[in-house]
Amino acid sequence: QVQLQQSGPGLVKSSQTLSLTCVISGDTISSDGAAWNWIRQSPSGGLEWLGRTYYWSKWFYDYAVSVKGRITINPDTSRSQLSLHLNSVTPEDTAVYYCARFISREDHYGMDVWGQGTTVTVSS
Amino acid sequence: DIVVTQSPDSLAVSLGERATINCKSSQSVLHRSKNKNCLAWYQQKPGQPPRLLIYWAFTRESGVPDRFSGSGSGTDFTLTISSLQAEDVAVYYCQQYYDIPYTFGQGTKLEI
Repeated sequence: QVQLQQSGPGLVKSSQTLSLTCVISGDTISSDGAAWNWIRQSPSGGLEWLGRTYYWSKWFYDYAVSVKGRITINPDTSRSQLSLHLNSVTPEDTAVYYCARFISREDHYGMDVWGQGTTVTVSS
Repeated sequence: DIVVTQSPDSLAVSLGERATINCKSSQSVLHRSKNKNCLAWYQQKPGQPPRLLIYWAFTRESGVPDRFSGSGSGTDFTLTISSLQAEDVAVYYCQQYYDIPYTFGQGTKLEI
């Protein structure tokens, strides 16, 4: 059973860097057919995909234009975890942040496993 | 980016009745080689992360009750709950995975 356990601070000051970690159990971060995503949910409820990483002979990264230049997603194979770093945050970055696995194996597709979510508030 | 729009924003249905939620994408999400639509549905209850219900527009995720069904193709999709149960009260989202960035609908709040 695959599980994602998130950790990180719930309060970040404006202009600083938001850093979260997602520990993966039950799957391998570099396994075929899995991409590891960060998604956030605004206080009004909307879901916004932020970025992903996946391994296919090498590591690939995709980021949303809205946060490009501020975001870094790092896979750590030795610790089976991925991290999110979002710098120069503003109060508009206040949200619940989720890590999620997007599976694409044997015709099984979708974000099938999610972390528990981390509520992050950016103070001005 | 592919814009995904749901309707209605909220919906009240009696227990045992049918609930229907619509989702429209700004362009086709049909994966030509697979001949399947890259459209998923998620259920989110308060304080919980979203839960995958349906992928490929109509395939139920393991463990999802068969009262949940998905239909549609191209740009227009529907999630149907055939007989609403109390535990189905939640917000429902559709999501396209045809192209990056993945995009979600704004959500439909389902109440009794």
